[in-house]
Amino acid sequence: GDSVTQMEGPVTLSEEAFLTINCTYTATGYPSLFWYVQYPGEGLQLLLKATKADDKGSNKGFEATYRKETTSFHLEKGSVQVSDSAVYFCARNFYNQGGKLIFGQGTELSVKP
Amino acid sequence: EAGVTQFPSHSVIEKGQTVTLRCDPISGHDNLYWYRRVMGKEIKFLLHFVKESKQDESGMPNNRFLAERTGGTYSTLKVQPAELEDSGVYFCASSQESSGGNEQFFGPGTRLTVL
Repeated sequence: GDSVTQMEGPVTLSEEAFLTINCTYTATGYPSLFWYVQYPGEGLQLLLKATKADDKGSNKGFEATYRKETTSFHLEKGSVQVSDSAVYFCARNFYNQGGKLIFGQGTELSVKP
Repeated sequence: EAGVTQFPSHSVIEKGQTVTLRCDPISGHDNLYWYRRVMGKEIKFLLHFVKESKQDESGMPNNRFLAERTGGTYSTLKVQPAELEDSGVYFCASSQESSGGNEQFFGPGTRLTVL
């Protein structure tokens, strides 16, 4: 069935380290792809999105490129901060099924000073 | 502009009891979604309302779950009777449109614990 798979956590990095969180998706239809973030004690927030192949989403120093050929949408940041500690969720939607989202299992990131 | 709100933030009940969760979407958002995250696993879709109509309820686990959205404003999700496996975080989200890359705005979630 349709699914989103992302790398398991937890991931622990030192401040200013490079971050990659891998995400792959099943390629049925023409999905839009999303990264959501959940900071401690808060709800999910949209971090970035891409709506078609080769689009790059970016926000707060994070980037992800929609790669149709590899069905991937990996999240990257060149220099993480302590404030980036959160749980990150990769997701795809189903535009012809009311826009419902399919999420990956989430990756917990902890950044140490 | 107020965001999506959910009530309660936490609920602890015993197996067999009934619990009702409430979601107030962003004003003017016709689309309302319910999702659930169980035991640190992936967030799973439960159902989708367009105004007061259920557009897609394919993710509802069984008939112990009943969702309503009377008048097309707030929504409730009732679990009756609750079972241990219903424990998790229930998220509500709303959006203006349902197609394309339209963003869904999420509430803070309700953490349900069934003992």
